[in-house]
Amino acid sequence: AQKITQTQPGMFVQEKEAVTLDCTYDTSDQSYGLFWYKQPSSGEMIFLIYQGSYDEQNATEGRYSLNFQKARKSANLVISASQLGDSAMYFCAMREAGLKNYGGSQGNLIFGKGTKLSVKP
Amino acid sequence: NAGVTQTPKFRVLKTGQSMTLLCAQDMNHEYMYWYRQDPGMGLRLIHYSVGEGTTAKGEVPDGYNVSRLKKQNFLLGLESAAPSQTSVYFCASSLFTDTQYFGPGTRLTVL
Repeated sequence: AQKITQTQPGMFVQEKEAVTLDCTYDTSDQSYGLFWYKQPSSGEMIFLIYQGSYDEQNATEGRYSLNFQKARKSANLVISASQLGDSAMYFCAMREAGLKNYGGSQGNLIFGKGTKLSVKP
Repeated sequence: NAGVTQTPKFRVLKTGQSMTLLCAQDMNHEYMYWYRQDPGMGLRLIHYSVGEGTTAKGEVPDGYNVSRLKKQNFLLGLESAAPSQTSVYFCASSLFTDTQYFGPGTRLTVL
C-alpha cells in the first residue's frame, strides 16, 4: 500500500510568490518523521526540512516551512518568495519508527512519487 | 568533507554483465542505503546497512547484492545485469535513524 501520496505531478508558480506542495501519508505508528527533498535537474537529492511526529511546532528552514497537520495526516511543504532556482522535483518521504519495514530496522524512508515545480519569471 | 560519493557516475552494461557500484561516506555514519529511481517514481530502497558487517533487504532487493566490509563504504553488486535494472542508483547515509544524506547518483543503462 502506498504510504506517501503527492497528488500534484506538476506545479507552476510565479517568481517571488509562495507555493504549497501537498503531501499526505498513512501510518499506524505514533512515532514517525517526515522529510522533504529537492531534486534539481542535475539529479542530486538535497535534504530540505524535517518534521517529527511529536514536534509541536511546524518546522522551518529559511524559505521552507512544513505545514504539519497530524490529524489530517498531511505534511505540506511551503516555499515562500519562490526563486528560479527552486524549479525542481520535490519528494516527500516518511520514516516510521516501527520494526516492520520490510522486516527490517528503523530508519528506512518511504518516498512519494514527487511533484515537479516550475518557477516562471 | 566530501559527504557521500558514488563511483562511477555513468555506466553502460550489456545484459548478463556484472558490475559493482561503490558508495563512500566520510561523515562517520552508521547507516547506509542503496536506492533506485525510475521515471515517474520516487526512490525505492534496494538494500541497507545499519553498521559495518551488516546488510538487510529493502523493498526491491532481487538481482542485487551488497557488502559493508568497512564502515565508510557500501558496495552494490549486480551479478547478471538485466534491462529492468536500467535506473539511477542513489546511495545515502545517516548517523542513525535521522536525516539521510544522498550521493550524486549513478546512471546505469543495461542494453
